[in-house]
Amino acid sequence: QKEVEQNSGPLSVPEGAIASLNCTYSDRGSQSFFWYRQYSGKSPELIMSIYSNGDKEDGRFTAQLNKASQYVSLLIRDSQPSDSATYLCAVTDTGANSKLTFGKGITLSVRP
Amino acid sequence: EPEVTQTPSHQVTQMGQEVILRCVPISNHLYFYWYRQILGQKVEFLVSFYNNEISEKSEIFDDQFSVERPDGSNFTLKIRSTKLEDSAMYFCASSLGTGNQPQHFGDGTRLSIL
Repeated sequence: QKEVEQNSGPLSVPEGAIASLNCTYSDRGSQSFFWYRQYSGKSPELIMSIYSNGDKEDGRFTAQLNKASQYVSLLIRDSQPSDSATYLCAVTDTGANSKLTFGKGITLSVRP
Repeated sequence: EPEVTQTPSHQVTQMGQEVILRCVPISNHLYFYWYRQILGQKVEFLVSFYNNEISEKSEIFDDQFSVERPDGSNFTLKIRSTKLEDSAMYFCASSLGTGNQPQHFGDGTRLSIL
């Protein structure tokens, strides 16, 4: 059974701080890694994808991947109250269908 | 920005009834998916669909479930005889390809079984 684990949280940071969200996965065959943001009652919204070891930056977001440690993280710089949401880590394998396996998510609260 | 659209946004149905959830994937996407999320739980894969046939299905996707692409734009999920435990948010997603191609999600259908 392929598992994606996220610290259950919730995580609370002050406005302007860096939020660090972590995720581990069990399947060494996992190839693609995604971070989705989900506001309460809404659908997952893609915010970052990463496929190679190292860092990938997009605006205030940085995704980090370490395949040897089976670890992927998301850093949010200059956190804003609008970043308050649940962040879902999702992985796919090399299978032809690339189904997403999701973690349970971590809820981030940014305090004004 | 093209998007995945789902209808209805909310469906209330009596247990034992059939429901059809509808999705219009992004027009040039080739891979289609259904996921569900029971309240407070993780998003779970149900089924993937490519080239007019099911590519993969999960253990959840038993004989009461079926999918269809009846025309060039719609992608439907049918639940034949609904049970209380089918109550969940159902998300449709589509992608251009597999692997590195991200999946884009619709707004979901909230299914409530009474």
